[in-house]
Amino acid sequence: NAGVTQTPKFRILKIGQSMTLQCTQDMNHNYMYWYRQDPGMGLKLIYYSVGAGITDKGEVPNGYNVSRSTTEDFPLRLELAAPSQTSVYFCATSTRDRSNSPYNEQFFGPGTRLTVL
Amino acid sequence: DAKTTQPPSMDCAEGRAANLPCNHSTISGNEYVYWYRQIHSQGPQYIIHGLKNNETNEMASLIITEDRKSSTLILPHATLRDTAVYYCIVRASSNTGKLIFGQGTTLQVKP
Repeated sequence: NAGVTQTPKFRILKIGQSMTLQCTQDMNHNYMYWYRQDPGMGLKLIYYSVGAGITDKGEVPNGYNVSRSTTEDFPLRLELAAPSQTSVYFCATSTRDRSNSPYNEQFFGPGTRLTVL
Repeated sequence: DAKTTQPPSMDCAEGRAANLPCNHSTISGNEYVYWYRQIHSQGPQYIIHGLKNNETNEMASLIITEDRKSSTLILPHATLRDTAVYYCIVRASSNTGKLIFGQGTTLQVKP
């Protein structure tokens, strides 16, 4: 199993450009998340999804869009890149092993390092 | 979800136990304590979680005080590879599984 795969690993964008960060998982997990991490800071939740066709905003959703058409894929879209979006982006998945039990762990991808100049 | 407070940094000698504290004085009865760590440039890694009983797994032990207002993550024999940022997160069981990360504690294991 590859686990959680993110592409690209690195990207430099110019202000105003757009791009899609890809996230794919092969663990059949229903729940997927996008976080960003600015230098020296903790992770902040951008968007999350509890299943195909269902997405919701996290702490810092402005400037981003997501879609979830399949269980495996959860792409993150930047429409008009700004320098404030320079960050490392992590995708994660989780599952619930029993009803009413907490999610035991999230599995994180290796991250995408994005620079907007 | 309850807010947590962790020291920004700690040192530990290689081979010794690393004890990482976390305060969560506003924790509610249905909120769990989770620990994750992030080794430089990598995605965070789950370590352990608990509700009110002490927990142990192959990576670490989690000690939660009786009033649940604080907890300690114990790495029994720290190695250089345990150098990382450790995040204590308090979260209720929910149907979303969201995690809210704070600043964490940077643990430096020294030879």
